[in-house]
Amino acid sequence: GESVGLHLPTLSVQEGDNSIINCAYSNSASDYFIWYKQESGKGPQFIIDIRSNMDKRQGQRVTVLLNKTVKHLSLQIAATQPGDSAVYFCAETANDYKLSFGAGTTVTVRA
Amino acid sequence: EPEVTQTPSHQVTQMGQEVILRCVPISNHLYFYWYRQILGQKVEFLVSFYNNEISEKSEIFDDQFSVERPDGSNFTLKIRSTKLEDSAMYFCASSVAAQETQYFGPGTRLLVL
Repeated sequence: GESVGLHLPTLSVQEGDNSIINCAYSNSASDYFIWYKQESGKGPQFIIDIRSNMDKRQGQRVTVLLNKTVKHLSLQIAATQPGDSAVYFCAETANDYKLSFGAGTTVTVRA
Repeated sequence: EPEVTQTPSHQVTQMGQEVILRCVPISNHLYFYWYRQILGQKVEFLVSFYNNEISEKSEIFDDQFSVERPDGSNFTLKIRSTKLEDSAMYFCASSVAAQETQYFGPGTRLLVL
């Protein structure tokens, strides 16, 4: 069945280091992928997205990589800052409407 | 920057009571969504809404749930007879078009006692 999941539930990273958050998905029909950041008590905040016709997309301090062969998605955060501490979700959609979310990875930035 | 807003931020209700959760999507967006997140779990899709009708709904969205766009700005989720297991954060989202970024509101925390 369709599922979206993250490889690790928690990630602890030293301030200034790079972070890599991974996500696996199972629906080969998925064609649009989004990374969201959720801080405590708030709604998911859009970070970056990528469509299936691309394998890499860069934003400000963030890069998303998509490997459709192995159905794997990753989010790289450069020079991680304390404000990056949050839960990160990957989400995917294979149709026009529904986003399927992964379980989330909690990122903790150590000072 | 435009954002999705939701009211109330918190709602406590007794089991069996009706609740209405309200959302104001981003003004030029045409697609509207409700999701929920049970504490400590992932975000789950409930329903999508476009052109004044439901475009897709999940198995969670049973006959106890309904959505409405009563005017040009509000989008509501009604739970007719709440159950204990309806306790969750409910997020509204909107997008300018299908297969475009969905922007989420801050959520309504619903507690059913």
